[in-house]
Formats: sequence, C-alpha cells, structure tokens
Amino acid sequence: EAQVTQNPRYLITVTGKKLTVTCSQNMNHEYMSWYRQDPGLGLRQIYYSMNVEVTDKGDVPEGYKVSRKEKRNFPLILESPSPNQTSLYFCASSRISGSSYEQYFGPGTRLTVT
Amino acid sequence: EDKVVQSPLSLVVHEGDTVTLNCSYEVTNFRSLLWYKQEKKAPTFLFMLTSSGIEKKSGRLSSILDKKELFSILNITATQTGDSAVYLCAVEDNNAGNMLTFGGGTRLMVKP
Repeated sequence: EAQVTQNPRYLITVTGKKLTVTCSQNMNHEYMSWYRQDPGLGLRQIYYSMNVEVTDKGDVPEGYKVSRKEKRNFPLILESPSPNQTSLYFCASSRISGSSYEQYFGPGTRLTVT
Repeated sequence: EDKVVQSPLSLVVHEGDTVTLNCSYEVTNFRSLLWYKQEKKAPTFLFMLTSSGIEKKSGRLSSILDKKELFSILNITATQTGDSAVYLCAVEDNNAGNMLTFGGGTRLMVKP
C-alpha cells in the first residue's frame, strides 16, 4: 500500500530537548516536504527536498533542520524546541515530473512543547 | 511573496445544497493550483488545475481556474454530510521547485 508514515504521532516535550520526527515514503517519490498547520494560519511549508541530498527552505524554516540521505526518508529535526513550535506537523511526498501532481500526506504528528 | 486567500472562512449548509468555494491567489510564476480536502487527518488531493477555463470534474465536485483574474472555484453539488471538511487551496510556484503556498481553508459543515 502506497503510504507516507510519520513517527511519533503524538509527542509532548520540554523546551530545549532535541527531538526528531521521522518521515518515510514507499512510493519512490523524489519530492518530500514538511508542513506545519496552525489554527488561523493554515498549512505552511517548513522545508522541502527535490531529491537525495537536495533540500531547501520553505516559508517557515527557522528552528528546524532536515536531511535527505536516502530517497525514502526525510526526518525533521528540532535542535532546541520552543513553545512556539507546538503545532501539527505533516510530511508529504510526490513525484517531481508528470502531468498528475498528487501529493501524499502522512497522518500528522501533534507536537506540544512546554 | 506568494499568497492564497480562501473564502468564505466557514459555511454551513443542508444536505442537497450546492456550494461554491473561492480561492484567489498571487504567485510569482504560476505552475498549478491544487485543491485538497481535509477531514480529521491529513489532506487528500482533489484536483490540480493548470489551464484557464477547463473544468475538472470528479463526481459531485468540480473546479475551474481563471488565470487572468487569479482565482479558482470549487463547486460541490447535492452536498452530503460526508462532504463536511476543511477545503484547502494551494498554488505551486515555478520559481521555487514544487513549493506550495496554502490558503487558510474553508470549513464546510453539511447538516442532515
């Protein structure tokens, strides 16, 4: 089954404690992306990756890091989380080329930073 | 900076009604506009629009793009309670790879 998986699904942590949210896709997609979703602000892109070892900043990259060492994985790293990073996070993937652009989203990770 | 504005913010209708959701945008170098449906989980893809005036249709849902006036509409006819969701519009900027800018969404509630 084609899918994007994220772990953990829920996380409560404290300010400053480094954390990683994993994202993995099994569709051999080139493109992967991280979004955060906040009430009243909608979905905003944090980072995206066009292929292995190719990453770029989205709209709200501050406080986040990513890496793309393998095509299937795109972890999101918060080196020193702060309360303003409390949010719902989605990972997504898609093909780069082709006429049909269907972006597959993971189930979401709800992060609370106290 | 790319910008997407959706209206209305929320909408309550009764089953059987027809609704029209609006999405206006500003984008540096337009590549495509996408519609998603989000229930209590991740967004699911509905349509991708790249050309003006060509209607995309899927069952009771349809969408059309106007690249001159910079907007798109999503129509849902004969609404059902299962259509209750947040509908998201996003634009893709050719200058920024596949980067998407999302609107704030329209929350649709369909009452029986």
